[in-house]
Amino acid sequence: EVQLLQSGGGLVQPGGSLRLSCAASGFTFRNSDMSWVRQAPGKGLEWVSFVNGGGSNTFYADSVKGRFTVSRDNSKNTLYLQMDSLRADDSAVYYCATGRGDVWGQGTTVTVSS
Amino acid sequence: VVMTQSPLSLPVTLGQPASISCRSSQSLVHSTGNTFLNWFQQRPGQSPRRLIYEVSKRDSGVPDRFSGSGSGTDFTLKISRVEAEDVGFYYCMQGTHWTWTFGQGTQVEIK
Repeated sequence: EVQLLQSGGGLVQPGGSLRLSCAASGFTFRNSDMSWVRQAPGKGLEWVSFVNGGGSNTFYADSVKGRFTVSRDNSKNTLYLQMDSLRADDSAVYYCATGRGDVWGQGTTVTVSS
Repeated sequence: VVMTQSPLSLPVTLGQPASISCRSSQSLVHSTGNTFLNWFQQRPGQSPRRLIYEVSKRDSGVPDRFSGSGSGTDFTLKISRVEAEDVGFYYCMQGTHWTWTFGQGTQVEIK
């Protein structure tokens, strides 16, 4: 079964850091570009970051550039999102998804609050 | 690229058709000739689910009452006969340019 299983997330203070993970199974992970998408409470979907299959090319939304880092470990079939200097407006459900959006993780909640 | 959906709220009677429009600020035709315009459904409390990719191709398991059409900058998602399970938000998304962009979302509800 094709699946993306997310972990990480939780409550963090403003200025803090958090790392999200997304474990892939059921498909050839190294061949798949991947993206992170978030959804603030009651809001729509916002693309956050992209990484190509080999991990050599990354792109970020302006709202997270310089604070978030996307990476992947193809030997572990796992995608990561390192989130630093977190702000209240980063609070959202974060989803990982395959490059064309055909498979999504279950989502993980990040809450930034003191 | 800005994606603009309309309407943002769509009350529909069961069994009646529904249509959602999506316009992009730039052409979504890729250099390969493909147009990477997708439609997603998000039911309450669930992850988004892709329904339609490349304008009009239905994903596996998606009922044939869902159809996509359009070209260039104007696209449409149609539901031929709305069922209760279709309640939720619908988003168009462009994947032609490196960064994804979503429309604001259209909430489909039953009258």
